[in-house]
Amino acid sequence: AQSVTQLGSHVSVSEGALVLLRCNYSSSVPPYLFWYVQYPNQGLQLLLKYTSAATLVKGINGFEAEFKKSETSFHLTKPSAHMSDAAEYFCAVTGNTGGFKTIFGAGTRLFVKA
Amino acid sequence: NAGVTQTPKFRILKIGQSMTLQCTQDMNHNYMYWYRQDPGMGLKLIYYSVGAGITDKGEVPNGYNVSRSTTEDFPLRLELAAPSQTSVYFCASSYGAEGSETQYFGPGTRLLVL
Repeated sequence: AQSVTQLGSHVSVSEGALVLLRCNYSSSVPPYLFWYVQYPNQGLQLLLKYTSAATLVKGINGFEAEFKKSETSFHLTKPSAHMSDAAEYFCAVTGNTGGFKTIFGAGTRLFVKA
Repeated sequence: NAGVTQTPKFRILKIGQSMTLQCTQDMNHNYMYWYRQDPGMGLKLIYYSVGAGITDKGEVPNGYNVSRSTTEDFPLRLELAAPSQTSVYFCASSYGAEGSETQYFGPGTRLLVL
């Protein structure tokens, strides 16, 4: 069975500060891990994904995430927050049984203060 | 390339009414999905389809029905609306079903059942 835990339903940072959104997973098979972003009144769009190649994954808009098997984590970071980063972020995990087994975390809403 | 489109954007239903949420994708994806998003709960899979004429239940299928007569369209039917079906509904599609596949989401339908 797979599960995803996102620590913190809300995270607030100042513009220019480091963004760190936490995601821990459990999976009985090697996982595929995703971060999706949802801007207000829009659907989810892919930010980045881990597919067992490089453990440090770079995504769009300056975001990156590191897969740490020993810690079962896939935290999302960005060195300097921008006002446009304000959105909800979802971590998701899939095993090799297919996309219809994707498990989404509860989401973390990121607020960026001027 | 419009991607995944959904109609309507917003709807208010009375208890016991029925409606169909429309979903269309123009990416020639075989796999399509319906999710519901409740506050603080992430996304839950309602139904999915692996191709025209083939559908299967997800995690929360009760109260819903689907059909897939063409590759492009995947409507979701609510037969007897209940307040518990108040939610935001997202349709998604993917090219394949491997765990590494990215899902592409529509903008969502917000449904309120009173």
